Amino acid sequence: EDKVVQSPLSLVVHEGDTVTLNCSYEVTNFRSLLWYKQEKKAPTFLFMLTSSGIEKKSGRLSSILDKKELSSILNITATQTGDSAIYLCAVESAGGTSYGKLTFGQGTILTVHP
Amino acid sequence: NAGVMQNPRHLVRRRGQEARLRCSPMKGHSHVYWYRQLPEEGLKFMVYLQKENIIDESGMPKERFSAEFPKEGPSILRIQQVVRGDSAAYFCASSSAGAGNTIYFGEGSWLTVV
Repeated sequence: EDKVVQSPLSLVVHEGDTVTLNCSYEVTNFRSLLWYKQEKKAPTFLFMLTSSGIEKKSGRLSSILDKKELSSILNITATQTGDSAIYLCAVESAGGTSYGKLTFGQGTILTVHP
Repeated sequence: NAGVMQNPRHLVRRRGQEARLRCSPMKGHSHVYWYRQLPEEGLKFMVYLQKENIIDESGMPKERFSAEFPKEGPSILRIQQVVRGDSAAYFCASSSAGAGNTIYFGEGSWLTVV
């Protein structure tokens, strides 16, 4: 069974801090790894990673995939209170017929204090 | 707003009643996924549909749950004879093709069974 584990489960920081969120996975047929941000509503897409070692960046957020270590990290620099959310890591597997089935981790709850 | 549209956003049902959750995918998307998020748990895959076809329902409970995506109209997730354990957020997602394409989520339907 595919498995995704995120750490830490929760994190409390102050504005301006830098945080690193971790995601490790065990998937039979890996296709891609995705990061989402969830703020009590729809998970909002952040990044999709398919190639190892290539950093994706969007503003203060960046992410990188390590296929050898079966893991990914999400970095947030200069955190703001608006970054407070649950960050979800998901892995897309390719089944017998290719489809975008996602296996999610349990999420990291990030709280940024002013 | 051409995002994934779900309704109702909130639904309260008594035990034994039926719940119907609707999802209209993003414009141009023909692949629909339903996920469930139980309290304190991560998102779990339920079913993957294309128009008039169920591609993968491996995450669906064997009884009381069904899903469809008709040729015309939204995808429907139907839960018959609801029980308290069905209380959860049900998220619909869509993509333009099954694998390798970004999957976008709706804002969820929050079912409470009383």
